[in-house]
Amino acid sequence: DAGITQSPRHKVTETGTPVTLRCHQTENHRYMYWYRQDPGHGLRLIHYSYGVKDTDKGEVSDGYSVSRSKTEDFLLTLESATSSQTSVYFCATVAGEISYEQYFGPGTRLTVT
Amino acid sequence: QKEVEQDPGPLSVPEGAIVSLNCTYSNSAFQYFMWYRQYSRKGPELLMYTYSSGNKEDGRFTAQVDKSSKYISLFIRDSQPSDSATYLCAMSAISGTYKYIFGTGTRLKVLA
Repeated sequence: DAGITQSPRHKVTETGTPVTLRCHQTENHRYMYWYRQDPGHGLRLIHYSYGVKDTDKGEVSDGYSVSRSKTEDFLLTLESATSSQTSVYFCATVAGEISYEQYFGPGTRLTVT
Repeated sequence: QKEVEQDPGPLSVPEGAIVSLNCTYSNSAFQYFMWYRQYSRKGPELLMYTYSSGNKEDGRFTAQVDKSSKYISLFIRDSQPSDSATYLCAMSAISGTYKYIFGTGTRLKVLA
């Protein structure tokens, strides 16, 4: 457990509105990740961060942006939400260096109407 | 072809049975292998973590890695209804990028 919290836990929003999801960790882990989980697709990487202000794209990054201004916080922004972005979003962390163990947050259930 | 293949199930077994969950993969660079348990509407919980080949045991759970066959397994002994969940495999290469590829998960139901 890496002391990961996500906010909000549930959100309903309308198509075209911007949405920001927050991930907060207390273990000072270097690496942070945003995944989405959809039936039949499993967990797919959206973006990840390998340090403060250092981020990179994952396999499903279109329509998403991220920012990491502090070690403990990783923000995921949907600039203009679409119905295809209705999903469950998970944040995860990895300590890095000698540890490859990845820990997940409780998830945010997002519905775009 | 996906890099990681996992039978989605559902797999139904009676209480007390030995459960075998499996994943196959295609990337020979994978060195770290993980199993997660995910209860409905919860985040994945890390169960087992193995580096390279071999076995690892933790209580009722045993993780096996066969790199020559590109095949990993999770065995659950004396299965309990509380083991009913979706089990995800994940793997990573030693690349410095710490990126992980996940299977789609196997749903397990242990019947009392």
